[in-house]
Amino acid sequence: GEDVEQSLFLSVREGDSSVINCTYTDSSSTYLYWYKQEPGAGLQLLTYIFSNMDMKQDQRLTVLLNKKDKHLSLRIADTQTGDSAIYFCAESQENTGFQKLVFGTGTRLLVSP
Amino acid sequence: DTGVSQDPRHKITKRGQNVTFRCDPISEHNRLYWYRQTLGQGPEFLTYFQNEAQLEKSRLLSDRFSAERPKGSFSTLEIQRTEQGDSAMYLCATQRNPGYEQYFGPGTRLTVT
Repeated sequence: GEDVEQSLFLSVREGDSSVINCTYTDSSSTYLYWYKQEPGAGLQLLTYIFSNMDMKQDQRLTVLLNKKDKHLSLRIADTQTGDSAIYFCAESQENTGFQKLVFGTGTRLLVSP
Repeated sequence: DTGVSQDPRHKITKRGQNVTFRCDPISEHNRLYWYRQTLGQGPEFLTYFQNEAQLEKSRLLSDRFSAERPKGSFSTLEIQRTEQGDSAMYLCATQRNPGYEQYFGPGTRLTVT
């Protein structure tokens, strides 16, 4: 089945670290993604991780993947007010040569000064 | 700005009217996807093009929906006899082949009154 789950809301103070969690169901997913969506806008690709990796770091972003538990997390270091947005986790389902992304419902991150 | 453009950005229409949306991909991206996002949800896959060929359609794409990509560049999504349940954000994403990154446009927000 296709089901990607995320907690709905996270509130942090500026300068703190934020950790957004996601669980997915398709053990055959080869890539897992994090996208950011600001109000009224499209989705911005933040980072992605290949399923044979445990961790990926990209500047302030750290992605951790626990394939056994099908758990993905995104850590944002030194969170800024500009990081306030909705963050979507997505798994890719490889179907006959193309990638269908299955998204979670999104986690709304609110960063207060 | 990802380089993927969509037009119009907003569309308000009366129930029963036909609407058409356009997506212009990043040049050389021969994979193109349409997704639909309803309020409070993540995007859901609608259809996929490889060049001009439509290779996959979701069950969400009823007979009232049709998509084309006539020359393998821009794509159009048409909804006939719109219903209030069609109100959503319609997102286009493009991808290089081979490649693992889908880049999204800003979306077209459709409101059916």
